Amino acid sequence: RKEVEQDPGPFNVPEGATVAFNCTYSNSASQSFFWYRQDCRKEPKLLMSVYSSGNEDGRFTAQLNRASQYISLLIRDSKLSDSATYLCVVNMADRGSTLGRLYFGRGTQLTVWP
Amino acid sequence: NAGVTQTPKFRVLKTGQSMTLLCAQDMNHEYMYWYRQDPGMGLRLIHYSVGEGTTAKGEVPDGYNVSRLKKQNFLLGLESAAPSQTSVYFCASSYIWGLENTEAFFGQGTRLTVV
Repeated sequence: RKEVEQDPGPFNVPEGATVAFNCTYSNSASQSFFWYRQDCRKEPKLLMSVYSSGNEDGRFTAQLNRASQYISLLIRDSKLSDSATYLCVVNMADRGSTLGRLYFGRGTQLTVWP
Repeated sequence: NAGVTQTPKFRVLKTGQSMTLLCAQDMNHEYMYWYRQDPGMGLRLIHYSVGEGTTAKGEVPDGYNVSRLKKQNFLLGLESAAPSQTSVYFCASSYIWGLENTEAFFGQGTRLTVV
């Protein structure tokens, strides 16, 4: 099982739609979670951190379910500019180490059409 | 504040040539990473470093070497380039809060073609 798994998509939705992405992670001790966005041929950039109680940033809502070890990202009222690849990122410790490092999912591709 | 800077941004190599990619960060981050990204494959970790003078292997380390002689710099070397190393390379850095990594910042990428 990969450390961080995402549905690769692609998701194709019309403007104004609501779309949800899920991500599962393997290490129940993980404490830090993020969603990144990557535009075509560009570097990944932080979209939002994911907090235990869930958090919202405008049209974007992130949720964490520790019991099931999954993270979700909800995008409401999709815009054309939301078209990108969304990467799930989890901080996890390597085996035998107390220090963690960031693990990236493969990303979920979203296309919003007019 | 430049953040993470990668050089060069583009490069074409012949099979068997060597080169070094430089990553520099000015945020005093402990962790630095080198990834490659190929179509449909996502980001794959090549090597990473948890501090000056340390390096560790990632998922796809073969054919690459790294060095972290200074905290702000992380070098990725290809000793004998192969066409399979044609890819986009990203460097990233992050700092540690307790035992947890915080947000990673990425460089703009290096597009390498090996012919």
